[in-house]
Amino acid sequence: ETGVTQTPRHLVMGMTNKKSLKCEQHLGHNAMYWYKQSAKKPLELMFVYSLEERVENNSVPSRFSPECPNSSHLFLHLHTLQPEDSALYLCASSQRRGGTTDTQYFGPGTRLTVL
Amino acid sequence: DQQVKQNSPSLSVQEGRISILNCDYTNSMFDYFLWYKKYPAEGPTFLISISSIKDKNEDGRFTVFLNKSAKHLSLHIVPSQPGDSAVYFCAASAGGNKLVFGAGTILRVKS
Repeated sequence: ETGVTQTPRHLVMGMTNKKSLKCEQHLGHNAMYWYKQSAKKPLELMFVYSLEERVENNSVPSRFSPECPNSSHLFLHLHTLQPEDSALYLCASSQRRGGTTDTQYFGPGTRLTVL
Repeated sequence: DQQVKQNSPSLSVQEGRISILNCDYTNSMFDYFLWYKKYPAEGPTFLISISSIKDKNEDGRFTVFLNKSAKHLSLHIVPSQPGDSAVYFCAASAGGNKLVFGAGTILRVKS
């Protein structure tokens, strides 16, 4: 596997379900990100992990819970979601180098539908 | 309030011609700008970037122009090819690892 992979690619869940999205990066990067993309809207940054420490939480509801067990893996745990949470969830990674802006590399995304 | 705006939802161009995609921003603290391309069922892929200390950056068929006074940047693709048909996202950063994205422009290159 190369680049950034995400599983599953598609997920349909009920509002009472608990599920997890998985992201793995094979680029040796030290930062990972979760984004949400709703239809015809910009990508919205949800969480940032740098060196496995959460450094950004963009006012995301607690029904989304991220986990970064190591620099290569990132999870997004989902529970009691709402239909408006249906969206494409994208994972990205980058190599942090001081204060400069680093290029982020994206996975293919998980298309989530909440019924 | 959207800090990065791509006001054209879509653009259609003939193969071989120039494609010009535009992006406007409001935050004067942004100092680094990126363009990403996205095909259906794939994640965005990095295309080209520019720092605010420059006004132009070129990579093959792709050139990004930055007009800081107008808070405007544009991506030029010359010549356009059918494989360039995709959604193009503009993104901006004020340093660090937080990118602010536009909503994207769908480019269709007709053969």
